[in-house]
Amino acid sequence: DQQVKQNSPSLSVQEGRISILNCDYTNSMFDYFLWYKKYPAEGPTFLISISSIKDKNEDGRFTVFLNKSAKHLSLHIVPSQPGDSAVYFCAASAPGGYQKVTFGTGTKLQVIP
Amino acid sequence: DTAVSQTPKYLVTQMGNDKSIKCEQNLGHDTMYWYKQDSKKFLKIMFSYNNKELIINETVPNRFSPKSPDKAHLNLHINSLELGDSAVYFCASSQTGMAGEKLFFGSGTQLSVL
Repeated sequence: DQQVKQNSPSLSVQEGRISILNCDYTNSMFDYFLWYKKYPAEGPTFLISISSIKDKNEDGRFTVFLNKSAKHLSLHIVPSQPGDSAVYFCAASAPGGYQKVTFGTGTKLQVIP
Repeated sequence: DTAVSQTPKYLVTQMGNDKSIKCEQNLGHDTMYWYKQDSKKFLKIMFSYNNKELIINETVPNRFSPKSPDKAHLNLHINSLELGDSAVYFCASSQTGMAGEKLFFGSGTQLSVL
């Protein structure tokens, strides 16, 4: 049972344009959502997070939007740069106790110069 | 100075062998994890330790045995390797292990069982 889904395995965007990566979840207990970025042959690195008390969190070129009623979140990258080309993982965890983070399968973003 | 380091980076071995993967973090974190990324790119938690104590143990075969000699180290020993164990194994750490904390990952160990 895949509780975090990223239905687009890949996305291509022109440099300078907006990249929108989507994530859906099924577990209504999830309260914390994080995005990780992964380059080939490296481990994932934390990018940005949001908790369920917010619907938007911004950090420079990266903004995460959360729609709790739709169980949907999205990561916006504006403007997209070639260095943003990587696999992006959506992750979620429920509150209380030690976390057990559930990851999506990732979306491979290619930013074309 | 790498925050979370794991060795080896690549591991090629025959079915039935026993192998170990080592992980060390120098971030002073209390919690460490092992994740497995399978051929479908699905990152799934296997184990989690907090201050050397096992706190999460997913439905992983008994052939997998984690060991945490201290809170900075979490090793993974795998007995009687099978073809299906081929995957990338990631070690990670977080400050306390509480919900919502970001994870710091090592660069992964690509295990190939022939």
